[in-house]
Amino acid sequence: DADVTQTPRNRITKTGKRIMLECSQTKGHDRMYWYRQDPGLGLRLIYYSFDVKDINKGEISDGYSVSRQAQAKFSLSLESAIPNQTALYFCATSDLRAGEETQYFGPGTRLLVL
Amino acid sequence: DQQVKQNSPSLSVQEGRISILNCDYTNSMFDYFLWYKKYPAEGPTFLISISSIKDKNEDGRFTVFLNKSAKHLSLHIVPSQPGDSAVYFCAASTGTYKYIFGTGTRLKVLA
Repeated sequence: DADVTQTPRNRITKTGKRIMLECSQTKGHDRMYWYRQDPGLGLRLIYYSFDVKDINKGEISDGYSVSRQAQAKFSLSLESAIPNQTALYFCATSDLRAGEETQYFGPGTRLLVL
Repeated sequence: DQQVKQNSPSLSVQEGRISILNCDYTNSMFDYFLWYKKYPAEGPTFLISISSIKDKNEDGRFTVFLNKSAKHLSLHIVPSQPGDSAVYFCAASTGTYKYIFGTGTRLKVLA
């Protein structure tokens, strides 16, 4: 079984709809992240959480919200989807050892907003 | 301002030869660097990393070189195999959660 899973894997929605992308992990990591990837760009950080009670905005958080329901679950919501939120979304978890952090990614959710 | 740059969007290499993927960065505060490999319809997979206290790190066929004075790192794959065909991202951080990713290089290994 995959260590980091994302549901759904693909989603088509309409402008103005609210949608939720879910992420679960079995790695036992405290830290979780949401990124988006757009064509020709690297991954950009939307939100991150260092534990259940700690949630922080990343560089492109506008239009998004998150919920950390448990150590293993981190959800990303688009309150009112717009076409420029069409992208590939990745969840990640991380392991911090000796001051060095390595992030592990889920398989991604491809979102199309019409 | 792109702090981490991968200037080659694509690279083709013959099977068995060396693949060299390059990455340049501008922020001298970066002290931890990583390479990820991404296949279509999958998430990025961690490949190899290097701390700024080192200039080389090896893991099997993969070697990462870091030249701090030039703010340049490279990933060498020897020998290249068709299964290495993927998009490779470099990422840099200041040892904390915040990764800055490059835009990726698509490697194609020709059989």
